[in-house]
This record gives sequence, structure tokens and C-alpha cells, in this order.
Amino acid sequence: AQRVTQPEKLLSVFKGAPVELKCNYSYSGSPELFWYVQYSRQRLQLLLRHISRESIKGFTADLNKGETSFHLKKPFAQEEDSAMYYCALYTGTASKLTFGTGTRLQVTL
Amino acid sequence: DTGVSQNPRHKITKRGQNVTFRCDPISEHNRLYWYRQTLGQGPEFLTYFQNEAQLEKSRLLSDRFSAERPKGSFSTLEIQRTEQGDSAMYLCASSSWTGGSYNEQFFGPGTRLTVL
Repeated sequence: AQRVTQPEKLLSVFKGAPVELKCNYSYSGSPELFWYVQYSRQRLQLLLRHISRESIKGFTADLNKGETSFHLKKPFAQEEDSAMYYCALYTGTASKLTFGTGTRLQVTL
Repeated sequence: DTGVSQNPRHKITKRGQNVTFRCDPISEHNRLYWYRQTLGQGPEFLTYFQNEAQLEKSRLLSDRFSAERPKGSFSTLEIQRTEQGDSAMYLCASSSWTGGSYNEQFFGPGTRLTVL
């Protein structure tokens, strides 16, 4: 069965510091990985997906199949990045998203 | 149409009562998903519809839970004989599935259920 692990419940960084939110997955097939974000009082929304290989709001994530990881990175954290971040795995056969437990990113001055 | 909407936003009920939630997806989205999120956890898949057909149900969806999407538009999720363990945020999402790989799921604001 598929599984997504986010080891950190809370990550606190200073503004301007680099950010890395960790995500590991377990899936025997070919995965599609995503990062979803939930800002305060807003709904869950897609931040980025691995196959697009693009940078959104300065965030990037690279799928490492050898390490089964999909860590989210940003070189310089901003206050507006403070939010809840969820890593998610999509398995086409099941047509559903499997989410990790989430990491709260707190960016302080 | 400003996105997926869910009603009510909050529901407080007593144990043993039945509750029903409604989800209105983005117009013309053919897929509709229900997820449940408990405190400290990520959303967990419950079930999904393609048009009016319910194609998959999670083992989390006990016999007390039933979901419908009668005309392939809005959906309802009913919980019968609620238990305190049903207290959670119930999320609805919709997508326009055209086959092949993932099509982005757009989430609603959720319905927060509290069972006393």
C-alpha cells in the first residue's frame, strides 16, 4: 500500500533562511508526487507537482526515486510562506491522493 | 462559480444522530472526491464519483456512511448514528478528468463535524 511520510510537524525558520520540508513515500509503482499548501483560513490548494518541474513562489521539489523522496525547498523564506504543507502521492489506478500528516512552516522575522 | 462549495461549514450533533453534508463541485467537473481530516493528520480518501457513478470506497467508509451524486452534479455525504470518532473535517474536491494522468483536484473549504 502507498504511504507518505512527513517527519516534521513543525519547521520554524527565520526570514531569508533556506527551507527544506521533507517528504518520503512508499509505493511500488511509478508515483506522481505533489505538494499542497493551506494558508491560514484558506482552503487546500496545489502548490506544485513533480512532473511539471517548475518553480512556484520560489519553491522547487525534485523527485528522487532512489531515496523515494520529494523534498520541498526554497532558498530564502518569506513571511508569507508560513502555512501548512502537505506532500501527496497520486496513484492512477486508485484515482486518489494519499497525503502525509503535514508540516507547519513558521517563518519569523 | 468561485470554486467548490460545501454546506454547512460547521455541524454540531449529538451521538446517535444522523447528519448530511452537501458538496457543490466546480461546474462541469466530472469527478468528485470526499476526504476526511482529523486533528494532526492529512486528508484521508473516503470515496469518489465519476459523474453519478461511485467508483471507489475506502475501508474507512463504514456502513454508517453513504454518499450520493444523483445527477452527476452536487454530492451528499450522510453519516448515520454518529459516533464521537466521526468528529473531523470533511473535505470535498472536484476535478475534470480527461483520462491518463492526474488532473488537479480543487478542494472546498470543508465541513467541520463535532459529535458530542
